[in-house]
Amino acid sequence: DAGVIQSPRHEVTEMGQEVTLRCKPISGHDYLFWYRQTMMRGLELLIYFNNNVPIDDSGMPEDRFSAKMPNASFSTLKIQPSEPRDSAVYFCASSGTGTYGYTFGSGTRLTVV
Amino acid sequence: AQSVTQLDSQVPVFEEAPVELRCNYSSSVSVYLFWYVQYPNQGLQLLLKYLSGSTLVKGINGFEAEFNKSQTSFHLRKPSVHISDTAEYFCAVSDVDTGRRALTFGSGTRLQVQP
Repeated sequence: DAGVIQSPRHEVTEMGQEVTLRCKPISGHDYLFWYRQTMMRGLELLIYFNNNVPIDDSGMPEDRFSAKMPNASFSTLKIQPSEPRDSAVYFCASSGTGTYGYTFGSGTRLTVV
Repeated sequence: AQSVTQLDSQVPVFEEAPVELRCNYSSSVSVYLFWYVQYPNQGLQLLLKYLSGSTLVKGINGFEAEFNKSQTSFHLRKPSVHISDTAEYFCAVSDVDTGRRALTFGSGTRLQVQP
């Protein structure tokens, strides 16, 4: 089991550019979560999916953020256009229906300059 | 709405000493409780969880936590810490009754183990 796989590990982009973060959950897990971690705000839930359907996107900061899960093995988080205040570590996590507690990926460190 | 309070942002401790990291939560419904550990430049790893049953929960790496419903606390303890325990520790809660699977995290406690 390779765990939750996120790519890229690091992303540096210029303000105004589009950024796409990718996540492959653990096979068989039917919940997928996107979190953002910053020094000021800690760990914030952005959105989560169940069986590829978005359940709660109330944490998505604004329309510049969008997330998709086209199938059970892949999800993307897109920021367009990016701003310096989006700089953070973005984590993806997955969980199975019968289990509680997530398995986290290693995160993507996003820097917007 | 739920909230989690980790009162100590940093806890320095000497190697082989005991440690307690405090966590208090607020919720209008029953909760599940979790502790996660984050090593530098890594994701979060589940240490232990309380779902039901015995209020004393044992986890990995020699850690344990006790659920106290009357005090709405879930403190993490280890009788003897190692240098390798230096990391950030997060307490988290999720609803039992609503079925909402999202976790609400505390702000974290940085454990610094000194030789």
